[in-house]
Amino acid sequence: RKEVEQDPGPFNVPEGATVAFNCTYSNSASQSFFWYRQDCRKEPKLLMSVYSSGNEDGRFTAQLNRASQYISLLIRDSKLSDSATYLCVVHMNTGFQKLVFGTGTRLLVSP
Amino acid sequence: GAVVSQHPSWVICKSGTSVKIECRSLDFQATTMFWYRQFPKQSLMLMATSNEGSKATYEQGVEKDKFLINHASLTLSTLTVTSAHPEDSSFYICSAIERGPRLWGNTEAFFGQGTRLTVV
Repeated sequence: RKEVEQDPGPFNVPEGATVAFNCTYSNSASQSFFWYRQDCRKEPKLLMSVYSSGNEDGRFTAQLNRASQYISLLIRDSKLSDSATYLCVVHMNTGFQKLVFGTGTRLLVSP
Repeated sequence: GAVVSQHPSWVICKSGTSVKIECRSLDFQATTMFWYRQFPKQSLMLMATSNEGSKATYEQGVEKDKFLINHASLTLSTLTVTSAHPEDSSFYICSAIERGPRLWGNTEAFFGQGTRLTVV
């Protein structure tokens, strides 16, 4: 089983739609969680950290469920510019630190 | 925000030669750097974790003698692909975590621009 799993998509949605991405992780030693965005042939950029209480940044809402080892990202009122790959990232400390990426979920927002 | 500079951004080399990729944190000290590889339409795969002043920790299946990592200072880590072959052609990208009192949960990983390696 992969350490971090995501549905690769693609998710095709119209502008203005609400879309949700899910991510599961297998290692209970996971400490911190992030959502990154990667545009084609570019490096990933931090979208938001994910806190246990859930957090919101504008149209983006992230949730964490430690009991179920599950993270989610909700995007409301999708824009064309939201089209990208969204990467779930988990920081683990299994004796040494490492950041593990999910496969990414591709989002395509159409007019 | 913090900047990580990766160099070169692209390189074409002959099979059997070695290629060195540099990753520098420009305005912060990075105790930990990560090296990833990404094949087309695939996810970033962690290759190794590099800690300043100590040996890198390699992920399973990554040959440490082929992918040499050096993290001699708090601002520089290098990845050397030795005896490169066409199957090593990929997008290599580094990431750095800033040293400091902040907890991991509040610490962002900054990425270099990536190096596209083509071995012919």
